[in-house]
Parts: sequence; structure tokens; C-alpha cells
Amino acid sequence: SQQGEEDPQALSIQEGENATMNCSYKTSINNLQWYRQNSGRGLVHLILIRSNEREKHSGRLRVTLDTSKKSSSLLITASRAADTASYFCATPHYGGSQGNLIFGKGTKLSVKP
Amino acid sequence: KAGVTQTPRYLIKTRGQQVTLSCSPISGHRSVSWYQQTPGQGLQFLFEYFSETQRNKGNFPGRFSGRQFSNSRSEMNVSTLELGDSALYLCASSLAIQHTGELFFGEGSRLTVL
Repeated sequence: SQQGEEDPQALSIQEGENATMNCSYKTSINNLQWYRQNSGRGLVHLILIRSNEREKHSGRLRVTLDTSKKSSSLLITASRAADTASYFCATPHYGGSQGNLIFGKGTKLSVKP
Repeated sequence: KAGVTQTPRYLIKTRGQQVTLSCSPISGHRSVSWYQQTPGQGLQFLFEYFSETQRNKGNFPGRFSGRQFSNSRSEMNVSTLELGDSALYLCASSLAIQHTGELFFGEGSRLTVL
């Protein structure tokens, strides 16, 4: 099965609210990444957190990583309609190289104005 | 700096035909990876190229192949197309092949097989 599994599969919130997405993985990792995809477009890298980090911030994004539980969360604060997209976590394939990532099925976020 | 460019953006083929998709990485990036995205299977790794050599391959049949040229541009080919090959094919580039770092994705080539 896939390395990363996000939940929820879909999330609908109002503008200004916070959105939290979770990701679980199965094997040991040295980093975990989050990507965003607008409908039918390419993926955009949001943030990378290394296995020795517990929390990382980038603008309105906050990512946490719990290696003991093999889980990560992505928090988007003060969401905007423009945040509407699908969000994916990705981990390196065990023994693989940078380009060989395993993606979860994603969380589809809808932010209503 | 120009991003990753994929061509064509959209194409329609019929079963049994073959298709070639092209990817031009960001200038200076030497690693190119390909992914297939479908509603049912999600994003799946196809293969990765570095310095004109295939470094990794995903679990896809031999009908899926690729190559990389000396200027780092890459092509992937799918022969004897099947309906299930309908998907968004995404190309991503990165500076090198080390174990950490972000990927830069193109907008994808959407293939429809009739």
C-alpha cells in the first residue's frame, strides 16, 4: 500500500478558518514533504520537514512531524478561497533517490468565501 | 528562470496507438522524474533519469519507457495504449539525485485514450 495516507479525504471550510490535514506513513523516513495541486495542474512544493525536526513554519503553513507515530500534519491558518486545492504528503521511497517519492491520495480542501 | 515545460498539454489517442510526451526541466536541473496520476491510483512514480541514465523505475509494464538527452530534456513513450493509460502525466525536475530536496513539477500532459 502507499506510504503516505492523508485524512480527511475532503475538507470544506469557510474563509478565515484554519484547515488541518493529516498524513500517516509506514516506514522510516529522512524527510516528508507537502505539495499542493490546483485542479488538473502540476504540483507545487510547499514545505519539507526533516526527520530530526518536529515543527516547521512557512507563512500561514505549519507542519509537524511525529516520527514515533509515523505521522505529520499540515495546518493552514486564516484560509483563503485561493487555498482551495488538493494537498499531498510525500515521502522518499525506501532506498530510493530524490525523484522517487511516494504520494498519498491527498486531501481535497475547499475554502468557501 | 523558466519552470518545467511539458508538451503537449492535452492529447487524445485511440487504443493500440503509441504516444510520446516531452519534458524540459528547469535550466541546470539534471534529474527528471515522471509520474502518472489517475483518480483511482493517485500519483504513481514511473521512472527517474539522471545524466541520461535511468536510475529508478516504478511498477509499470514495459510499454512505458523513457529516455533523457544530454541537455537533460526527457521523453516518455507509451506503446500499445490501453484505456487505463488515460491519465495526467507529470514530469518533475531537481538539481541532482541526492536523497532530500523538493521536486519542481510541470503542468502535466493529459492523455485521453478512446
